[in-house]
Formats: sequence, structure tokens, C-alpha cells
Amino acid sequence: KAGVTQTPRYLIKTRGQQVTLSCSPISGHRSVSWYQQTPGQGLQFLFEYFSETQRNKGNFPGRFSGRQFSNSRSEMNVSTLELGDSALYLCASSFGGGPLQETQYFGPGTRLLVL
Amino acid sequence: SQQGEEDPQALSIQEGENATMNCSYKTSINNLQWYRQNSGRGLVHLILIRSNEREKHSGRLRVTLDTSKKSSSLLITASRAADTASYFCATVGGDYGGATNKLIFGTGTLLAVQP
Repeated sequence: KAGVTQTPRYLIKTRGQQVTLSCSPISGHRSVSWYQQTPGQGLQFLFEYFSETQRNKGNFPGRFSGRQFSNSRSEMNVSTLELGDSALYLCASSFGGGPLQETQYFGPGTRLLVL
Repeated sequence: SQQGEEDPQALSIQEGENATMNCSYKTSINNLQWYRQNSGRGLVHLILIRSNEREKHSGRLRVTLDTSKKSSSLLITASRAADTASYFCATVGGDYGGATNKLIFGTGTLLAVQP
């Protein structure tokens, strides 16, 4: 079974631009969560989607948004990029219960550099 | 912000030795999970222990949980060079930050196993 895939793997953008990251969960998984990892703040939860609906949201500004499609693939978007948005963005999938009930399977991440 | 801290921040041992990492957290939990991350890549789930469990084993891994002290430990026995990675604990549940169905990560322990 294929694992969680994320595209692109690396991305360089400049301040003020916007970016869209994609995550394809493991086949059959309907819950997708997004996390941001930075050296200063560590790993932080962004949001979780289940059945095309945002089920949980972390404490990030409105510039960070996401969505989920009917095939469970998810995208996250960051508008008006800031230098501090440089990070490794990880997505995780599970069948549907989320981390409260199930193991989370993480993708390799997208490394975003904002110049 | 992060739920808790891990101790030590870094650990260097020789192959064949045991490695112990500790995790402390702040609020009540539903479960606690341990993850491994190799050099800024995706996270690999190691083990999940629920709040009503005290100890769990998986291969060379042993995890303990003490909810009265709000702490957990991960023991890796007979370590190998391939165990070199960062190890994170993550808590789920409780009433921290409102939404409960998310992973709240600790600060991580960097383990280096010398051949």
C-alpha cells in the first residue's frame, strides 16, 4: 500500500507570495491533518479535515487555510508569505478517528523556504 | 505552543547500549504517542499508549506512562546506529487548547548512536 505522499517536496518562495501544498493520504484514509515544524516552535498542529470538512483547527492566522476533496486528498494554502513561514510542513492521515483513536501516518513533508 | 518537554535534549550512546528518553506533559490526556524523525524528514509512528495503560512493548521499544506524574519514558534496548534520529512524544486529548483530536508534540530528543 502506498504511503502518504506530499508534493512538492521542496519549494522556494518570496515574501508576499502565496503557496499551495498537496497531500494524498493512504488509500482508504479519510482524515488528513497538517502540522508545521520549525526550529523555534517545534511541531505545531495546523488543522484536520475529515470528509471534506475542517474538523479541528490550531492557533494559526487566517493566512493558513486548507481544504479536502472528495477523494480525501488535501491541500493547504498560505497567502501573503512571511519569512517566519519557512518550515517543514507535514501531513498525516488515518482512517477517520484521528489521533484520538488511531495511529497517524505521516508523509515526508514539504520543505518551504521563504526569501 | 508545545504541551511538554523531553529530556534529555540530546543523547549520545554506543551501539548495544540502552537509550532512555523522558517526556513530561501538562494536562490530562487520552493517549500518548512516540514518533521518530530521521534528519528533518517525515515522522514514523513508534507506539501508542492509552491513559489507562502503564506499560507497552514493541520489539526493542518499551514505553511507560505515569499519569499521576504526567510523564512517559521511551526505552530503546540494544541500540543500533540506525536508531540515530530525533524522538518526539505527542499527547492527544484532554482539554488543552480546546480541540482535543490533535497531536501536541514535545520538544524532542536527538539520539546519536555511535557505531
